[in-house]
Amino acid sequence: EAGVAQSPRYKIIEKRQSVAFWCNPISGHATLYWYQQILGQGPKLLIQFQNNGVVDDSQLPKDRFSAERLKGVDSTLKIQPAKLEDSAVYLCASSLEVNSPLHFGNGTRLTVT
Amino acid sequence: KQEVTQIPAALSVPEGENLVLNCSFTDSAIYNLQWFRQDPGKGLTSLLLIQSSQREQTSGRLNASLDKSSGRSTLYIAASQPGDSATYLCAVEGSARQLTFGSGTQLTVLP
Repeated sequence: EAGVAQSPRYKIIEKRQSVAFWCNPISGHATLYWYQQILGQGPKLLIQFQNNGVVDDSQLPKDRFSAERLKGVDSTLKIQPAKLEDSAVYLCASSLEVNSPLHFGNGTRLTVT
Repeated sequence: KQEVTQIPAALSVPEGENLVLNCSFTDSAIYNLQWFRQDPGKGLTSLLLIQSSQREQTSGRLNASLDKSSGRSTLYIAASQPGDSATYLCAVEGSARQLTFGSGTQLTVLP
């Protein structure tokens, strides 16, 4: 089975610029998550989708971050405008259903200068 | 608010040793606890998932235990190998059905 695909792998931008990340989950997985992992810390949930509906976005900084999951499959996460503190690895994960094990992609490493 | 702590932050052992990684959490009202492995530049790989009603789970050389009442879990790795070198993270799923992660233990197994 193909894993969770993410692109790009790396991105370097200047502060105040915008950036978008893309995620393609494992086929058939209804639940999709975006996590932010700052160096030396564990991942922190940004947003959780069930099919194309948002289940939890309580920790998403909505003034600058947005995410969508059109047609309940692929998802994009956007940051606009970026701040220095957004430098992190952005991980996408999917699961068959809410209480199933999570499968993670390799992440996108964002550096904001 | 759930807090997850992992001690030690880093651990270095010679090949062949048995070792224990520790995880503690502040809110015992959890649905499950998971242990993940993260290799440099990679995502997380799920190793073991323990439901709140279970006490332990085993997979090969790995054994994870859960003591909900004391808010503790351990990951036991038997006969460690250099290929086990990675960062190990524990995560608890709480009442809001969110995973809260610890900061991880970076393990190095020396040949």
